[in-house]
Amino acid sequence: ILNVEQSPQSLHVQEGDSTNFTCSFPSSNFYALHWYRWETAKSPEALFVMTLNGDEKKKGRISATLNTKEGYSYLYIKGSQPEDSATYLCAHRLISNFGNEKLTFGTGTRLTIIP
Amino acid sequence: DTEVTQTPKHLVMGMTNKKSLKCEQHMGHRAMYWYKQKAKKPPELMFVYSYEKLSINESVPSRFSPECPNSSLLNLHLHALQPEDSALYLCASSQAPQRASGRTSTDTQYFGPGTRLTVL
Repeated sequence: ILNVEQSPQSLHVQEGDSTNFTCSFPSSNFYALHWYRWETAKSPEALFVMTLNGDEKKKGRISATLNTKEGYSYLYIKGSQPEDSATYLCAHRLISNFGNEKLTFGTGTRLTIIP
Repeated sequence: DTEVTQTPKHLVMGMTNKKSLKCEQHMGHRAMYWYKQKAKKPPELMFVYSYEKLSINESVPSRFSPECPNSSLLNLHLHALQPEDSALYLCASSQAPQRASGRTSTDTQYFGPGTRLTVL
């Protein structure tokens, strides 16, 4: 994996169902993995920052796991609600040669919850 | 308050115009960023300012000129743009840039809602 890839690109889920999607990233020079939730016409909202292999984070019905050795992270949403409809972006953070952090984003998974 | 504000929300400009985008944060962050997002593509980093000094320029054409007049403000000056520069321009800020010591690994970049730019 050379870039950050997210799958699927889009997803329709019935209200009340649970769902998950994937972020794949280069496993070398790993520093951190960020998840953002982005609703149309709003600011991307930070969900999680994950740094350690095996990390699992939770925020309400949303949780994420991290595998830095194989280069992937999963985002899970339990009991989807209409307000979960958004694009979910992951971003891979490296340490650049200048010593500053640089985020490389995936193209996102667009989630639509069907009432 | 984790708000990053950007003005204007929308901007339409001709190829000969000069305009500026503005970004503001009051979280005491000392790193600020400009990203560009084209439709159906991921946001791409353009510039990073650390402690009001330009630290990263991702080979951005000189028709884009960033400026950081103080720790709360970040501008992007636009001149002689091309139609292909039409995009969503996002600003972000974070707590502290990389330093030799004292850096935390959970620094989050907080984003503004973006300026939708159309170049005619």
